[in-house]
Amino acid sequence: ETGVTQTPRHLVMGMTNKKSLKCEQHLGHNAMYWYKQSAKKPLELMFVYNFKEQTENNSVPSRFSPECPNSSHLFLHLHTLQPEDSALYLCASSQGSGIDYEQYFGPGTRLTVT
Amino acid sequence: EDQVTQSPEALRLQEGESSSLNCSYTVSGLRGLFWYRQDPGKGPEFLFTLYSAGEEKEKERLKATLTKKESFLHITAPKPEDSATYLCAGISSGSARQLTFGSGTQLTVLP
Repeated sequence: ETGVTQTPRHLVMGMTNKKSLKCEQHLGHNAMYWYKQSAKKPLELMFVYNFKEQTENNSVPSRFSPECPNSSHLFLHLHTLQPEDSALYLCASSQGSGIDYEQYFGPGTRLTVT
Repeated sequence: EDQVTQSPEALRLQEGESSSLNCSYTVSGLRGLFWYRQDPGKGPEFLFTLYSAGEEKEKERLKATLTKKESFLHITAPKPEDSATYLCAGISSGSARQLTFGSGTQLTVLP
């Protein structure tokens, strides 16, 4: 595997389900990010992790819970989501610690909440 | 509040027809401006970072420029494979730095 990988690529879940999104970066980077991309809306930065420590949480509802066990892996745990949470969830990584650096994105997980 | 606005929302060009995409920003103390390319079904791919007014960067048929209020992505003699959505994003300075993306310009280059 190379670059940034995300699984699953597609996910359909009910509002009462609990699921997790997984991201893995194979680039030796120090920072990882979660983004939400909705149709016709700008990318929204959700969480930032530098060296496994969360450094940003951009007012994201608690039904989204990130986890970063090491600098190569990032999870997004989902529970009791709403239909408006349906979107493409993108993971990214960067060499430097922070948003100043160019980011490498995974292909995303297309999430549908029914 | 920081804002990044891209125009046009969509652009259709004939192969070889050069044009420019615009990214205007009101970002507090702009620290840097990124350009990314996003193909359908994929995550964004990094193109350029610009840091100061007057700076220019080039890659193949693309050239990005930056002024104090906006950035342009010039596409010279585009090919169908340049079709994608182009995103720009600005980073504000200060202790609470923010990364703000625009909504993108969807470029279609017809053969």
